[in-house]
Amino acid sequence: SQQGEEDPQALSIQEGENATMNCSYKTSINNLQWYRQNSGRGLVHLILIRSNEREKHSGRLRVTLDTSKKSSSLLITASRAADTASYFCARDRGSTLGRLYFGRGTQLTVWP
Amino acid sequence: EPEVTQTPSHQVTQMGQEVILRCVPISNHLYFYWYRQILGQKVEFLVSFYNNEISEKSEIFDDQFSVERPDGSNFTLKIRSTKLEDSAMYFCASKGEGYSNQPQHFGDGTRLSIL
Repeated sequence: SQQGEEDPQALSIQEGENATMNCSYKTSINNLQWYRQNSGRGLVHLILIRSNEREKHSGRLRVTLDTSKKSSSLLITASRAADTASYFCARDRGSTLGRLYFGRGTQLTVWP
Repeated sequence: EPEVTQTPSHQVTQMGQEVILRCVPISNHLYFYWYRQILGQKVEFLVSFYNNEISEKSEIFDDQFSVERPDGSNFTLKIRSTKLEDSAMYFCASKGEGYSNQPQHFGDGTRLSIL
């Protein structure tokens, strides 16, 4: 499969804890993007990391990319109940308009 | 912050009927996409569109599907003769200038239910 695959499929933590989600892929990428989806809603873009980057931060989010291992991770620090959602990695393989390949996602539940 | 808007939020249609899903991309964006998500499954690419032409389409996007940008603001997805398996959430997305290494911005989706 050319698509990213997230791990774990489900993650349940308490507020204040950190949440780490992983994504693996099989083919080369132009960039890798992380999205959040609240139940029944659209996809909200979180972070884009280019293939020549190793780490990016945005607020409480930290994304790493290891192209040698073809893997990425999303860390959410000091999680809140409002972070409860599905998180997807999506791979841009560098096609003309950057078609995205999505994984199955990680369902994160943060308990108050 | 500019948003991608999709209408309707929910569409119920009889099998065999035509359906048009509508999207208003972010105003200065040039690149447009449709994806779908069958319940419990991955988000899947359908088609990308630029300069009034399809750039790329997936194997899902067969002759029953078509896209159009009828004016300067709307981007539509038409399914000519719907099947039960077309039931899914359909997401529109757009991307701005400098398309490489720019994020795609998604709408909230249209839930299509085929009866």
